[in-house]
Amino acid sequence: KNEVEQSPQNLTAQEGEFITINCSYSVGISALHWLQQHPGGGIVSLFMLSSGKKKHGRLIATINIQEKHSSLHITASHPRDSAVYICAAPYSGGGADGLTFGKGTHLIIQP
Amino acid sequence: NAGVTQTPKFRILKIGQSMTLQCTQDMNHNYMYWYRQDPGMGLKLIYYSVGAGITDKGEVPNGYNVSRSTTEDFPLRLELAAPSQTSVYFCASSSLGSGGTEAFFGQGTRLTVV
Repeated sequence: KNEVEQSPQNLTAQEGEFITINCSYSVGISALHWLQQHPGGGIVSLFMLSSGKKKHGRLIATINIQEKHSSLHITASHPRDSAVYICAAPYSGGGADGLTFGKGTHLIIQP
Repeated sequence: NAGVTQTPKFRILKIGQSMTLQCTQDMNHNYMYWYRQDPGMGLKLIYYSVGAGITDKGEVPNGYNVSRSTTEDFPLRLELAAPSQTSVYFCASSSLGSGGTEAFFGQGTRLTVV
């Protein structure tokens, strides 16, 4: 089973700051997922990436396959970015499908 | 486009009762999943299905059952509810599996067993 670790667990920042959330995993994977969970509880997929970098608006995700590490960056952060950000990796071994999740990073952006 | 729809959103059960959490998707996805989320923990896989008629256990299947008679529906059955099953349950789907395509999640069901 893939072990997924995220840091930091909690992050409070001021509006406009550059945010970085880190994720490491233990077993080589085909793709890593970044997800966002809003206070209402719903979960949405932000990125799925297998190499290099992806960008969507002010969100940037990078992955280093050799180091088994990924980062999620938020540029020009805004209070509406306040949410829990979760990274997840596919199960490995045994033929099982599904995701293994980190515990999430609780981000608060203060105006 | 409805995506993944879960019902109910909230439920309180008494110990020993049973219930079915409903999940349906309208994206013709083969892969469907049930996860549970406990406070301070990452989501954990309960059961998954790779297509109609095929289901398999995930990490925490004890106390649950599933069926997949159609591509669209993947209900989760709780028999003899226990306080340890108090959690938020998420259904998800994807077209090519967790290593191939993004996952789509339902809005969650918050279950309390008292």
